[in-house]
Amino acid sequence: DAKTTQPNSMESNEEEPVHLPCNHSTISGTDYIHWYRQLPSQGPEYVIHGLTSNVNNRMASLAIAEDRKSSTLILHRATLRDAAVYYCILVPGGSEKLVFGKGTKLTVNP
Amino acid sequence: GAVVSQHPSRVICKSGTSVKIECRSLDFQATTMFWYRQFPKKSLMLMATSNEGSKATYEQGVEKDKFLINHASLTLSTLTVTSAHPEDSSFYICSVLAPTQETQYFGPGTRLLVL
Repeated sequence: DAKTTQPNSMESNEEEPVHLPCNHSTISGTDYIHWYRQLPSQGPEYVIHGLTSNVNNRMASLAIAEDRKSSTLILHRATLRDAAVYYCILVPGGSEKLVFGKGTKLTVNP
Repeated sequence: GAVVSQHPSRVICKSGTSVKIECRSLDFQATTMFWYRQFPKKSLMLMATSNEGSKATYEQGVEKDKFLINHASLTLSTLTVTSAHPEDSSFYICSVLAPTQETQYFGPGTRLLVL
């Protein structure tokens, strides 16, 4: 499985934007970029996914580099409820499996 | 997102006993469900893929005779930890493959403590 690299932790302030980076230099052409997050003591939650183009939904935006070797999850206005571990996962096209790495623990300060 | 329930949410059992965990897809029928395990301060590890009406597919290193999976209906998968030992204490999480087959919806998890 192609690997992703994320910072272990990040901090942000409430109501400010947050940019969570993910490096995936060995990504293949059919790998989708998925983001999930896990709040404390809960199961993970789907955030967003994309292939080549930037994506937006009600939770976040996903910015994908032109060479696809990196991507950034953008939370436009962080709230205390966004404090979680964020996982960037590469999913080969046609695959159903998710392989979780260590993720980035996001702390949101009031 | 879709609602996935797990029961029980917490269970404490004695070493040597068996524990059954249920995972239900409440919003749609699911032919494919997944079971994960998460140790404290670690990431989720996929244990097995549960397919309705057929045998589960286990990941390398997961004992199929110890972790019995039954997916007898399109809305229910069960994981039975047989002859549980303290090292089986963990957070067990199930997920349901969305109808689009592009994403997964996760349950709230079951915390198992084996004494």
